[in-house]
Amino acid sequence: GENVEQHPSTLSVQEGDSAVIKCTYSDSASNYFPWYKQELGKGPQLIIDIRSNVGEKKDQRIAVTLNKTAKHFSLHITETQPEDSAVYFCAASDYGNNRLAFGKGNQVVVIP
Amino acid sequence: ETGVTQTPRHLVMGMTNKKSLKCEQHLGHNAMYWYKQSAKKPLELMFVYSLEERVENNSVPSRFSPECPNSSHLFLHLHTLQPEDSALYLCASSQFQGSGEKLFFGSGTQLSVL
Repeated sequence: GENVEQHPSTLSVQEGDSAVIKCTYSDSASNYFPWYKQELGKGPQLIIDIRSNVGEKKDQRIAVTLNKTAKHFSLHITETQPEDSAVYFCAASDYGNNRLAFGKGNQVVVIP
Repeated sequence: ETGVTQTPRHLVMGMTNKKSLKCEQHLGHNAMYWYKQSAKKPLELMFVYSLEERVENNSVPSRFSPECPNSSHLFLHLHTLQPEDSALYLCASSQFQGSGEKLFFGSGTQLSVL
């Protein structure tokens, strides 16, 4: 089955700087890649997702890039703010078959 | 109420107890999921219900028993659990008939088995 790895496990950034989290996946058939943000005491929340027919997607300060050849995708957060501090999970799936495989999560800490 | 609501938020139970976790979604979605979240591990999919039919059971031990009486409610019945079952149990719903896309999660039930 699909195996998703996230790097780094913890990332600290100064407020206002950019943060980048990278995920790699193993199954070349995977074609759907979401990112979830989990704040303390809450469930994960979908923040952005991308399909394999698109190389990049942006939503305000958040962007995701996909490299299908290398089988990796990244989350980019620009102009980080304290409220961006959370655990971020990437996932990959073969669309429609419920096999959404999650990574272990990255702890992002934004230092004011 | 909006979104996905889970009760209770915290649960402590002994290995011989029977308890149930409840999930309710107010989003009009047609698929509901149970996930297990353990520290330093990826989220593990346990069960998927699509249009009230179970469509996925990821080799979960029989001491976990799901129930989906309608498209808005999902239960997870627990009995004779083990300490290693202690974890955060997350319910989710989606619009896309169990595809796993665009999941909306509840805040979870933090379960401790003594």
